[in-house]
Amino acid sequence: DAGVIQSPRHEVTEMGQEVTLRCKPISGHDYLFWYRQTMMRGLELLIYFNNNVPIDDSGMPEDRFSAKMPNASFSTLKIQPSEPRDSAVYFCASSLQGLISNQPQHFGDGTRLSIL
Amino acid sequence: DAKTTQPNSMESNEEEPVHLPCNHSTISGTDYIHWYRQLPSQGPEYVIHGLTSNVNNRMASLAIAEDRKSSTLILHRATLRDAAVYYCIPPGDNAGNMLTFGGGTRLMVKP
Repeated sequence: DAGVIQSPRHEVTEMGQEVTLRCKPISGHDYLFWYRQTMMRGLELLIYFNNNVPIDDSGMPEDRFSAKMPNASFSTLKIQPSEPRDSAVYFCASSLQGLISNQPQHFGDGTRLSIL
Repeated sequence: DAKTTQPNSMESNEEEPVHLPCNHSTISGTDYIHWYRQLPSQGPEYVIHGLTSNVNNRMASLAIAEDRKSSTLILHRATLRDAAVYYCIPPGDNAGNMLTFGGGTRLMVKP
C-alpha cells in the first residue's frame, strides 16, 4: 500500500520566494497533519485537518504560512514570502481517525526545505 | 497537557533487550500513551500504544505502571536497524488529536 506521499523531497530557494509543499495522504484517512522539525525546536504540529476542514492551526507560526486541503487526497502548505528561519524538514501525516480513537498517525518522508 | 520525561540517550548491544523508560506523571485517566520512533532521515513511525494494561505487537512491548505515571518500551532483541530516536507521547490537546513530541531518547545500538 502507498503511504503518505510528500513532494518535493528537497527544496532550495532564495528568501522572499513562495514555497509550496505538497502531501497526498493515505486513501481513506480522515485526518491530515502538517509538522515541522528543526534542531532547535524538535517536531512541532503546525495544523491539522479533519475531513478537509482545518481544525487547529494554532501551531502555524505566522501569516506567511497557509495550508489548504481542497479534497481528501491532496493538501498544500505554502510559505509566502519565505525566510531563512523557515528552513526545516516539513512532515505530513495522516490517520484513519483522530487519536481519541487511538488510530496511529502515518508520516511521509518529509520535505527538506532550505531558504538561502 | 501531560508532560513526559525521557533520558536523552541510551546505548544497547545488538541482540540484547532494551528498556526505554518514560515518566508522564501528569497524564489524565483517559490519555493513551503512544510511542513513535524516528530513524535517521525518515519521518516518525508508530511503534505501539496502550492505556492501562501491558501491550505487545510485532515491533515491541509496552509495560505501563499501575499508577500510569510511567511506562517502558521494551525491544526484546535490539538490532542495528532499531537505532533511532524514540518518543513517548500522551495526546496533547483536549480533543486528543494532537501528538506533542518532546526530545525523545536517542537509542544507539552497538554491534
